[in-house]
Amino acid sequence: KQEVTQIPAALSVPEGENLVLNCSFTDSAIYNLQWFRQDPGKGLTSLLLIQSSQREQTSGRLNASLDKSSGRSTLYIAASQPGDSATYLCAVKGNQFYFGTGTSLTVIP
Amino acid sequence: GAVVSQHPSRVICKSGTSVKIECRSLDFQATTMFWYRQFPKKSLMLMATSNEGSKATYEQGVEKDKFLINHASLTLSTLTVTSAHPEDSSFYICSALLLTSVNEQFFGPGTRLTVL
Repeated sequence: KQEVTQIPAALSVPEGENLVLNCSFTDSAIYNLQWFRQDPGKGLTSLLLIQSSQREQTSGRLNASLDKSSGRSTLYIAASQPGDSATYLCAVKGNQFYFGTGTSLTVIP
Repeated sequence: GAVVSQHPSRVICKSGTSVKIECRSLDFQATTMFWYRQFPKKSLMLMATSNEGSKATYEQGVEKDKFLINHASLTLSTLTVTSAHPEDSSFYICSALLLTSVNEQFFGPGTRLTVL
């Protein structure tokens, strides 16, 4: 069974810093990997989707990479802002969606 | 992007009652929808896959008689929690599958269920 792990579980950084969130998965047979943002008590907002054949995707200050062979993905957030504070979830799609445990990010003004 | 709505956003009910949660794809048709459950500070766990016009597929350990799923149209799936108990209190999130070359899931805003 696919297991998805995110490190760190929580992260607190001062505003303006660049940061990296990590996601690892045990089964490399995936169709795609997706990064989501979840605000407290809210649903999921899709940030980036990387197909299994792709290496990275970029959207604004966000860049996600995928190394399928090693079972890893990173989400890079440039010039962090207080509004980036949220929980970030990665999910890999095999025969179903498997979600990671999430990283709770706090950006301090 | 594609939009998925859920109703209600919050519901409080007494033990023993049944609660229905609706999931709608607003601007696309979805033959497949998914229902997830999220415990506090935990990740999402897939409960079942809802297929339009056929029976839902439940994940191991999910009671199909407890969590009734109906996918009666291409834009609506409902989850009914029957004879609710306090341990059913949770955050329920649905998603709808948009069939394109990417086959991306779009998620609803979630429903907070509290059973007293």
